[in-house]
Amino acid sequence: GAVVSQHPSWVICKSGTSVKIECRSLDFQATTMFWYRQFPKQSLMLMATSNEGSKATYEQGVEKDKFLINHASLTLSTLTVTSAHPEDSSFYICSADTGTGVGYGYTFGSGTRLTVV
Amino acid sequence: AQSVSQHNHHVILSEAASLELGCNYSYGGTVNLFWYVQYPGQHLQLLLKYFSGDPLVKGIKGFEAEFIKSKFSFNLRKPSVQWSDTAEYFCAVNGNTGGFKTIFGAGTRLFVKA
Repeated sequence: GAVVSQHPSWVICKSGTSVKIECRSLDFQATTMFWYRQFPKQSLMLMATSNEGSKATYEQGVEKDKFLINHASLTLSTLTVTSAHPEDSSFYICSADTGTGVGYGYTFGSGTRLTVV
Repeated sequence: AQSVSQHNHHVILSEAASLELGCNYSYGGTVNLFWYVQYPGQHLQLLLKYFSGDPLVKGIKGFEAEFIKSKFSFNLRKPSVQWSDTAEYFCAVNGNTGGFKTIFGAGTRLFVKA
């Protein structure tokens, strides 16, 4: 079945540094990928929709200059958390449209736990 | 506003007990409904989904869900739970009016006692 690989699975960084998270579709092409954020004991919140070859669409309240998204190929989207601060510590999850039809469910990556110290 | 509400944040059951997790949504237009499961230390997996047709949907591992349009509900059920069903369960919805952006409920943590 469709597999989405997310890397790294966890990362600790110092405040003020930047962190890049990769999301790859391993056996299918994903023109659309989604980035979510999950705080402890809360649900997934959609941050942005990543479209191959074009600018990402950010949800209201998400800083596009802080959370840089690049979707340069049909199998790779990256999320870069720039100038990270402790409040950015969270669980970040990507998902991809498997191409079986828009909205017909998505395959999720395993998530990246970011801790900013 | 579009939203998904899961009634129980935590559920504790004994093995062989029956399970029903509530999910209500607020979403205009035609909807697609999903239940996802996240086992400890693992990523989200799709349990089942409803697009159209028979409102009673059967998924993997003996789970089923019933779409009741008049109640805006999509409750998840399993007649007899196992210890291995211990996980967090998320109800989700998307649809054409929202550009198919998926909205998730807060999740329900199920713990099954052996």
